[in-house]
Amino acid sequence: NAGVTQTPKFQVLKTGQSMTLQCAQDMNHEYMSWYRQDPGMGLRLIHYSVGAGITDQGEVPNGYNVSRSTTEDFPLRLLSAAPSQTSVYFCASRSRDRGQLVAFFGQGTRLTVV
Amino acid sequence: GQQVMQIPQYQHVQEGEDFTTYCNSSTTLSNIQWYKQRPGGHPVFLIQLVKSGEVKKQKRLTFQFGEAKKNSSLHITATQTTDVGTYFCAATSGTYKYIFGTGTRLKVLA
Repeated sequence: NAGVTQTPKFQVLKTGQSMTLQCAQDMNHEYMSWYRQDPGMGLRLIHYSVGAGITDQGEVPNGYNVSRSTTEDFPLRLLSAAPSQTSVYFCASRSRDRGQLVAFFGQGTRLTVV
Repeated sequence: GQQVMQIPQYQHVQEGEDFTTYCNSSTTLSNIQWYKQRPGGHPVFLIQLVKSGEVKKQKRLTFQFGEAKKNSSLHITATQTTDVGTYFCAATSGTYKYIFGTGTRLKVLA
């Protein structure tokens, strides 16, 4: 199993450009989520999904769109990038292990918007 | 909405000293999880606490869940250089929406 795979690992965008951060998991987990990590702010939840076709907003959803057409994939779309979206983005999927919803994180995507 | 505060933000200790980080919520929690993130890495799950007053141990790490299920702590006894990293709590009030604390960055001086 590859676990949770995020692509790309690094990306530089110009203000106003759009792009999609990819996240795929091969563990058949129903629950997936996107976080952004900024210095001193911890991990903030952007969007999450409890299954294919179901998504919901987290703490900081503005400027981001998601969709969940399959169990495996949960892409994050930036429609019009802004410098405030410069951050490290983590995708996570969760599995039920003895009643615990354990999160498995991808390696992260470091995004810079100039 | 649910908020999770974590203190301290930074902690420098001499190797062999103890370390504690605290997590506090404004709402009653269904459960709380703890993660460790090494520098340049991604968060890795450590443990989950569910019951009021629960205490769990993993070698030198002791995790506690408060009686009111609004706070939690992680205590490391006799820190080692391998303990370096940022420790996060993540909590939910009963939904699948896990909110992370701001993290405590631990540096261990040899």
